[in-house]
Amino acid sequence: TQLLEQSPQFLSIQEGENLTVYCNSSSVFSSLQWYRQEPGEGPVLLVTVVTGGEVKKLKRLTFQFGDARKDSSLHITAAQPGDTGLYLCAGGETYKYIFGTGTRLKVLA
Amino acid sequence: NAGVTQTPKFQVLKTGQSMTLQCAQDMNHNSMYWYRQDPGMGLRLIYYSASEGTTDKGEVPNGYNVSRLNKREFSLRLESAAPSQTSVYFCASSEGSGNTIYFGEGSWLTVV
Repeated sequence: TQLLEQSPQFLSIQEGENLTVYCNSSSVFSSLQWYRQEPGEGPVLLVTVVTGGEVKKLKRLTFQFGDARKDSSLHITAAQPGDTGLYLCAGGETYKYIFGTGTRLKVLA
Repeated sequence: NAGVTQTPKFQVLKTGQSMTLQCAQDMNHNSMYWYRQDPGMGLRLIYYSASEGTTDKGEVPNGYNVSRLNKREFSLRLESAAPSQTSVYFCASSEGSGNTIYFGEGSWLTVV
């Protein structure tokens, strides 16, 4: 059974700080996706990483897929209150995508 | 600009009651999904429909049934609600396997 573990579970930081959240598994994934979910809404896709070692940037967010395709990280530079939300990683085969339990980020102004 | 629309948004049920959650997408997607989200458990797949006319079980299908009514609509039915089914339910759709999954806004269900 594939599992995705995310750490930390909760993170509260001041505006302007940097942070990294992790998504780890003992299984190999063909791709991993990162979503952000805001209160009262469904998750929204941020990025998909496909190739081992791949790095993708989305403004202040940097996503990396591990060389062995078993883990991924999300780094946020100079966090802003608008980055507050639940960050979820997801992956899997065919239609049965599994989701990590998420990292709940709060950025204080 | 609707995307994935699900109803109702909020529902309180008594144990043993039945109800249907409705979902419709206007993106002409082939695949549709129902997930539940519980604190500390993340999103778990209940059922999915890879294409019109097909449905398959996900990780947590017990206590639920689904119907892919047509390409646009995918409903989730609770035949005899139990307190363990208290959760937030999300409908989602995608063009196909491995494509971006688009979620609805969620339905908050409480079973008392």
